[in-house]
Amino acid sequence: NAGVTQTPKFQVLKTGQSMTLQCAQDMNHNSMYWYRQDPGMGLRLIYYSASEGTTDKGEVPNGYNVSRLNKREFSLRLESAAPSQTSVYFCASSLDRVFGYTFGSGTRLTVV
Amino acid sequence: AQRVTQPEKLLSVFKGAPVELKCNYSYSGSPELFWYVQYSRQRLQLLLRHISRESIKGFTADLNKGETSFHLKKPFAQEEDSAMYYCALSPLTGGGNKLTFGTGTQLKVEL
Repeated sequence: NAGVTQTPKFQVLKTGQSMTLQCAQDMNHNSMYWYRQDPGMGLRLIYYSASEGTTDKGEVPNGYNVSRLNKREFSLRLESAAPSQTSVYFCASSLDRVFGYTFGSGTRLTVV
Repeated sequence: AQRVTQPEKLLSVFKGAPVELKCNYSYSGSPELFWYVQYSRQRLQLLLRHISRESIKGFTADLNKGETSFHLKKPFAQEEDSAMYYCALSPLTGGGNKLTFGTGTQLKVEL
């Protein structure tokens, strides 16, 4: 049982480049989330998908887009990377609100 | 809007000493509260949740609605407790099950 799988684990981008972070879960969870983790700021929600076919903005959505491809997969795209997007990105999924989240191992992204 | 405050960035205690990691929240409705832990080089994992009233790895947390707090406590710290701890809040209704996290407290247990 893999849980939540994120790829890649590390990435270095040049300013202006684009990339997609992939996330897949095998727990049949309805909801999926993308967070970024920055020192001193905790985890901030970028986008979430409450169920297959729906996506909504979180606290810091600017510069990002998402796709809920199916129930298992939820990708995060940076169209034109900026140094301010240097961060650790976490994908998570949940069955419902009382069970909490299961997190992926994170993607460490550096934009130079 | 909901907000979670963890006032301490770093908490250093000696092994065997009691631990209390503070968490205060603001939310107008009924919240569900969680503690997550991130050990070095590992992914975030759920430590405990208020609704289950459980004790995990010796940690407990009590919801005080009057003080809007959900402090994490352990009577005797162990070296393996050293980690980053995040308090988080989710609305019990509505809100799309979004978790709002605090900024985290780094716990360091010294020998």
